[in-house]
Amino acid sequence: DVKVTQSSRYLVKRTGEKVFLECVQDMDHENMFWYRQDPGLGLRLIYFSYDVKMKEKGDIPEGYSVSREKKERFSLILESASTNQTSMYLCASSPRRVGNQPQHFGDGTRLSIL
Amino acid sequence: AQKVTQAQTEISVVEKEDVTLDCVYETRDTTYYLFWYKQPPSGELVFLIRRNSFDEQNEISGRYSWNFQKSTSSFNFTITASQVVDSAVYFCALQTQGGSEKLVFGKGTKLTVNP
Repeated sequence: DVKVTQSSRYLVKRTGEKVFLECVQDMDHENMFWYRQDPGLGLRLIYFSYDVKMKEKGDIPEGYSVSREKKERFSLILESASTNQTSMYLCASSPRRVGNQPQHFGDGTRLSIL
Repeated sequence: AQKVTQAQTEISVVEKEDVTLDCVYETRDTTYYLFWYKQPPSGELVFLIRRNSFDEQNEISGRYSWNFQKSTSSFNFTITASQVVDSAVYFCALQTQGGSEKLVFGKGTKLTVNP
């Protein structure tokens, strides 16, 4: 079974802090994704990566950056956290396109910025 | 542009009722893939089904069935004889051949099954 692990289920940080959300997958998937989920808005893509050291902006990249130094790990960085970044963050991974395989998701990190 | 619409924000049923969750999609690509995911209260998204645009066969898996109709750009999901454990938020998603690996999600339908 594919396992996508997010480092924290719940996280509380203060405005202006630099925040790191970590995601690790154990299935040697090339693709990794970060989404945020907000009530009434569904899931929105922040960033994704096709390979190590590669990254692409999603639909809402402002205020975020990412890092992919190793294939299994994809980090989301809030450079200077703000209250409007309070949300549920979901990481996902999938193999490189072979009949468009489903993305597998982690359990999510519920982040509160005070 | 790709878009997925789940018009039903919330649905509430009583156990053993059948319920259908609607999904309408928009894309100009001729090759695309449709997905349904379930998000129980615990938070993780669980993959349920994938359909490609060339396969309009309906699918049944236990109490779950999916009806894909290209003519109406719909990919509806029916739960037969619903159970309390079916309570969750359900997301429909679209992935296009020309859209890289990205998924475009609908806003989700929250299903509550009451005992």
